[in-house]
Amino acid sequence: DADVTQTPRNRITKTGKRIMLECSQTKGHDRMYWYRQDPGLGLRLIYYSFDVKDINKGEISDGYSVSRQAQAKFSLSLESAIPNQTALYFCATSDFRGTLGGELFFGEGSRLTVL
Amino acid sequence: AQSVTQLGSHVSVSEGALVLLRCNYSSSVPPYLFWYVQYPNQGLQLLLKYTTGATLVKGINGFEAEFKKSETSFHLTKPSAHMSDAAEYFCAVSPTGGTSYGKLTFGQGTILTVHP
Repeated sequence: DADVTQTPRNRITKTGKRIMLECSQTKGHDRMYWYRQDPGLGLRLIYYSFDVKDINKGEISDGYSVSRQAQAKFSLSLESAIPNQTALYFCATSDFRGTLGGELFFGEGSRLTVL
Repeated sequence: AQSVTQLGSHVSVSEGALVLLRCNYSSSVPPYLFWYVQYPNQGLQLLLKYTTGATLVKGINGFEAEFKKSETSFHLTKPSAHMSDAAEYFCAVSPTGGTSYGKLTFGQGTILTVHP
């Protein structure tokens, strides 16, 4: 089983619908992140959480919200999806107490299409 | 604020040829530097990273990168390309301390194509 699991892997929805992407990890890491990948733009940080009580906005948080339900679970919500939120979404984890440099460990991605 | 620029969104090489993927960063102090690879329909995995010490860093699959502070660069190289190297490659930077430690900023990505 993957250390960082994202569900769903693929989702097609309509404009205005509420969508939740879920992420769970078995690595025991304290830090979790949500990134968005668009062609030619690389990965951009949406939200990040350094522990269960700590939630921070990234560079593109508008239109998104998150919930850190437990150390191992971090979900991303789109309250009212719009077509320009069509993208590939990645959850990632890191361990502040671990290897120097804060390496990220990624899930396999959730491809979201908003019609 | 930190930023990363990858020169060339697409790089094409022949099998057996040198691979060179360019990355330049902007940071007020030398950051931690990373290269990640993304194979089709997969997440990103770490190729190599520079934190401290030797500026020439060796990674997996025969890749290496050299941190050049004077040029603010961290270019990725591999002496001989293999078909299995075809993927998208991302350069990333992270602060070395402070409240943003561990928060990576990624470049735009470079798609590597390897021809037989």
